[in-house]
Amino acid sequence: GAVVSQHPSWVICKSGTSVKIECRSLDFQATTMFWYRQFPKQSLMLMATSNEGSKATYEQGVEKDKFLINHASLTLSTLTVTSAHPEDSSFYICSARYYEREGPVGGHEQFFGPGTRLTVL
Amino acid sequence: AQSVTQLDSQVPVFEEAPVELRCNYSSSVSVYLFWYVQYPNQGLQLLLKYLSGSTLVKGINGFEAEFNKSQTSFHLRKPSVHISDTAEYFCAVSSAWDFGGYNKLIFGAGTRLAVHP
Repeated sequence: GAVVSQHPSWVICKSGTSVKIECRSLDFQATTMFWYRQFPKQSLMLMATSNEGSKATYEQGVEKDKFLINHASLTLSTLTVTSAHPEDSSFYICSARYYEREGPVGGHEQFFGPGTRLTVL
Repeated sequence: AQSVTQLDSQVPVFEEAPVELRCNYSSSVSVYLFWYVQYPNQGLQLLLKYLSGSTLVKGINGFEAEFNKSQTSFHLRKPSVHISDTAEYFCAVSSAWDFGGYNKLIFGAGTRLAVHP
């Protein structure tokens, strides 16, 4: 259980175009989703946290207008990189967790998607 | 706020040898601790986690970790590694307090485990 998928797994686009990445929880309702960015040989950098039905909370230094996050349903969150440039090339990973009345499940454990490799030419 | 330090960026080891990947954390509140593994071009897979109770936690693939509150450490161990264990390993911490869905995972920089034949 607790499977998270991402689509696409990789994408190549031209500079100036926008790219949308989807993150889906396949067998649970994700009340919270997280978006990370990972540069080669580096750790994960949290970009934003989104709760279903509300605006995303962005980390300091992350441009809200550049990285649009939508969490419209309990199983889907999207990250849109607007007007992408080569410096936006990176590995983007989403994660999801579910929250129940009894409290956070599994100690706030997050379930990770397989990642999306974005290359901007 | 929490922080995580993984003391070794790379750990080379021979197959069937034991290995320890070190992780130290800092926090002013109680924490939950996690170890994740990442294979090339893939997402993260949970190896094990410490929430409460026994300080020795056993995970998948023969890994275990010990929570040491006095030393604020959560080192990962495996008694005998395989070539297939070659990957990047991340230690992560989360506040045990409940922030209503906004609890973040704070990751260490990662340790590259390279298992040689």
